[in-house]
Amino acid sequence: GDSVTQMEGPVTLSEEAFLTINCTYTATGYPSLFWYVQYPGEGLQLLLKATKADDKGSNKGFEATYRKETTSFHLEKGSVQVSDSAVYFCALSPARAAGNKLTFGGGTRVLVKP
Amino acid sequence: KAGVTQTPRYLIKTRGQQVTLSCSPISGHRSVSWYQQTPGQGLQFLFEYFSETQRNKGNFPGRFSGRQFSNSRSEMNVSTLELGDSALYLCASSRTEGGLNTEAFFGQGTRLTVV
Repeated sequence: GDSVTQMEGPVTLSEEAFLTINCTYTATGYPSLFWYVQYPGEGLQLLLKATKADDKGSNKGFEATYRKETTSFHLEKGSVQVSDSAVYFCALSPARAAGNKLTFGGGTRVLVKP
Repeated sequence: KAGVTQTPRYLIKTRGQQVTLSCSPISGHRSVSWYQQTPGQGLQFLFEYFSETQRNKGNFPGRFSGRQFSNSRSEMNVSTLELGDSALYLCASSRTEGGLNTEAFFGQGTRLTVV
């Protein structure tokens, strides 16, 4: 079945440091890929998405590129802020399938210190 | 535009009881999915409803059930609660384009504690 693997945290960074969170997936065909962020006590917020190979999703300074050859969708941000402290989830949705069934990675907690 | 609304936000129940959680999707969204989030198992898919029909189901026991109403609002029910059912239950809604779902938008969740 489908699966998503992302690096375990916590990841602790200083403000203005470069952030990268690795995500790889196993799925048939070309699934849609997502990054969601969860702040303390909140639900999930969609951060960015990509629906086909070589697509780059971007939002709020975060970027991720859909790499079919390496089945990866790594999240990057060039300069993090304290407000980026949260848990980040990589997820996939099956290729061209009716229905909304997301498979999530285990989440990566990021802590940005001033 | 209002987001996904889940009620209640917090619940405390006793083992053996049953509980009903509610989710109101974004206006125009016909798909509603439910997820369980726990520290040990992470985020796990429970089920999805579309046009009042269950379209997908995860690997949860029959104690977990759901339904969707004609206005797309959804409820999930857990019967005979166990301590391990303590979790954050998240609801997500999405709309359909060309027969396929777009991205999912999540509510803030219902925190269920079973004592």
